[in-house]
Amino acid sequence: AQTVTQSQPEMSVQEAETVTLSCTYDTSENNYYLFWYKQPPSRQMILVIRQEAYKQQNATENRFSVNFQKAAKSFSLKISDSQLGDTAMYFCAFMQRGLIQGAQKLVFGQGTRLTINP
Amino acid sequence: GAGVSQSPRYKVTKRGQDVTLRCDPISSHATLYWYQQALGQGPEFLTYFNYEAQPDKSGLPSDRFSAERPEGSISTLTIQRTEQRDSAMYRCASSLARGGETQYFGPGTRLLVL
Repeated sequence: AQTVTQSQPEMSVQEAETVTLSCTYDTSENNYYLFWYKQPPSRQMILVIRQEAYKQQNATENRFSVNFQKAAKSFSLKISDSQLGDTAMYFCAFMQRGLIQGAQKLVFGQGTRLTINP
Repeated sequence: GAGVSQSPRYKVTKRGQDVTLRCDPISSHATLYWYQQALGQGPEFLTYFNYEAQPDKSGLPSDRFSAERPEGSISTLTIQRTEQRDSAMYRCASSLARGGETQYFGPGTRLLVL
């Protein structure tokens, strides 16, 4: 079974700083997807960024980028020029590729609570 | 619709009562998922539908939990004889298809069992 680990329960940075959230995962599969979701105080679940494991290039979305290290099974999220609105719980998630049983579910980490201070 | 919607947003019930939660996915999405999220934790998979079919029920914690999607659009999650440990946020998500498509989440239903 796949597992996802986020080792930083809480982080806090000043506005405009850069922050990196860590995520490691364990799988024997070679084809899969990785995601970062954001859960602000409203408790919505919002997709931040997605990475296909077969792509070597790291995904980027504006101020958000990932450092995907497949051999190390590491998938960190970097937030540049952090803003007050980035304050949220961030979840790393894994999904196996394919149509076999169990491949469709997202497996989430425990989350990192990020606070951006003014 | 524009996004995934869920109702009710909040539900308080007494232990032993049955509750039914509703999810209305994005209209073009074939696949619908249910997750349970305890406070301070990440969501955990319960079940999913591809159109009306329910290929995977492996995450349902007991036979008190059941889900339906009879016409391949709206889905309901029913918890019979609720217990206090069922208190959680229940999240619905949908995706265009299965097999790697991004899942988009609804706002969730917060269930409190007294």
